[in-house]
Amino acid sequence: DVKVTQSSRYLVKRTGEKVFLECVQDMDHENMFWYRQDPGLGLRLIYFSYDVKMKEKGDIPEGYSVSREKKERFSLILESASTNQTSMYLCASGTSGGGDTQYFGPGTRLTVL
Amino acid sequence: KQEVTQIPAALSVPEGENLVLNCSFTDSAIYNLQWFRQDPGKGLTSLLLIQSSQREQTSGRLNASLDKSSGRSTLYIAASQPGDSATYLCAVMFSGGYNKLIFGAGTRLAVHP
Repeated sequence: DVKVTQSSRYLVKRTGEKVFLECVQDMDHENMFWYRQDPGLGLRLIYFSYDVKMKEKGDIPEGYSVSREKKERFSLILESASTNQTSMYLCASGTSGGGDTQYFGPGTRLTVL
Repeated sequence: KQEVTQIPAALSVPEGENLVLNCSFTDSAIYNLQWFRQDPGKGLTSLLLIQSSQREQTSGRLNASLDKSSGRSTLYIAASQPGDSATYLCAVMFSGGYNKLIFGAGTRLAVHP
C-alpha cells in the first residue's frame, strides 16, 4: 500500500513563528504536492516538486516556501506564520507518468493564533 | 484559466435514494478525472479514476461518467446509505501541467436514516 505520512495531525502556532510541515512518501514517486483546503474553496495548490531540489509555484505560493532535499521528503515552510494561514494542509505524491493518480496524506490542521 | 466546478454544494437525502453529483471543467485537454471522498477532518480517499480515453468507471454502488467534449462528469451513487455521508471532490488532471490536479470545491452529502 502506498503510504504518505505527515509529521503532525494538529499544530498550533503563534503569529510570526516559523513553521515546518513535513511530508514523507514511501513509493519512490517523482512528484510531490502541497495543498491547502479551506471551507468553500476546495483544495488549492501551494507548491509542487517534480524532482529532488526542483520546485514550482502553484496557485497560492505567497507566504510559503518548500524544500525537497531527498526524493521521499517534501517540506512546506511558513517563514512567518499569519492568522490567514490557519487551514488544513494536505500533502500528496504521484508518478511523473501522465494519467496516474495522486496519493494523499491524512492532513495537518494548522491553527495560527 | 483551468477551473473545476461542482454542483450542488450540499445535498441532503433520505437513505435508499439514488443520487447524482455533478462536475464540470473548462478545458477538454485532460489526462484524467478523479472522484475523491473526504470524511470530516480526514485526508482524501480516491473513489474512481477515469482516464481521458474512457467514458465511465464503476466500483460497487458508484459509477462515474466522463464527457470530455462537454466538459462534464457525473458521480452516480446507487441506494445511498448513511455511511455515504461525506464530502465528494472532483479533481481534473489537465494535460501538460506536471500532473497537477485542479479540484472543485466539493459536494457535501448527508444521507439520513
